[in-house]
Amino acid sequence: GDSVTQMEGPVTLSEEAFLTINCTYTATGYPSLFWYVQYPGEGLQLLLKATKADDKGSNKGFEATYRKETTSFHLEKGSVQVSDSAVYFCALRRDGNQFYFGTGTSLTVIP
Amino acid sequence: DGGITQSPKYLFRKEGQNVTLSCEQNLNHDAMYWYRQDPGQGLRLIYYSQIVNDFQKGDIAEGYSVSREKKESFPLTVTSAQKNPTAFYLCASSTQGYSGNTIYFGEGSWLTVV
Repeated sequence: GDSVTQMEGPVTLSEEAFLTINCTYTATGYPSLFWYVQYPGEGLQLLLKATKADDKGSNKGFEATYRKETTSFHLEKGSVQVSDSAVYFCALRRDGNQFYFGTGTSLTVIP
Repeated sequence: DGGITQSPKYLFRKEGQNVTLSCEQNLNHDAMYWYRQDPGQGLRLIYYSQIVNDFQKGDIAEGYSVSREKKESFPLTVTSAQKNPTAFYLCASSTQGYSGNTIYFGEGSWLTVV
């Protein structure tokens, strides 16, 4: 069945470091792909999305490119800030309006 | 403002007691979902509903029940049959049709068994 696999955390980075969080997916057809962010004690918020191959989603300095050949949607940011500390979830949407989420990657950015 | 409202934020349940978590959305979304999140874990789908008066079981429906009598409401009941209900519960909604439709989440409800 459809699934999402993302790199395990926790990830700890110094402020202004480069961030990569890997995400790969398994799905039939052409799912839409998403990154969500969750701050402590809150719900998930959409960070960015891509709906077809080679699309690049971007928001708040974060980027991810839909790579169908490698079934990947890695999240990147060139310079992280303390305020980026959160849990990041990769997700896919398949036909039938069903969403599948990865297990989440915890990021801590230290000053 | 449009959004998803979950209540209560914190709830305590005694052993053998049923409790109901409320979820209301004013986004005019057709589809609604309930997820469970355990500390340090990902999201697991409990139930989902694509239209009013219809819903389907997700991956971990045992011990839970839902209803969808109105488009804007999707309450979740945690029954006494759920043996380990302590968790963070997230309600979500989305529109139908367009492949890029986003799923939106409420702020969550913490349920603790005492």
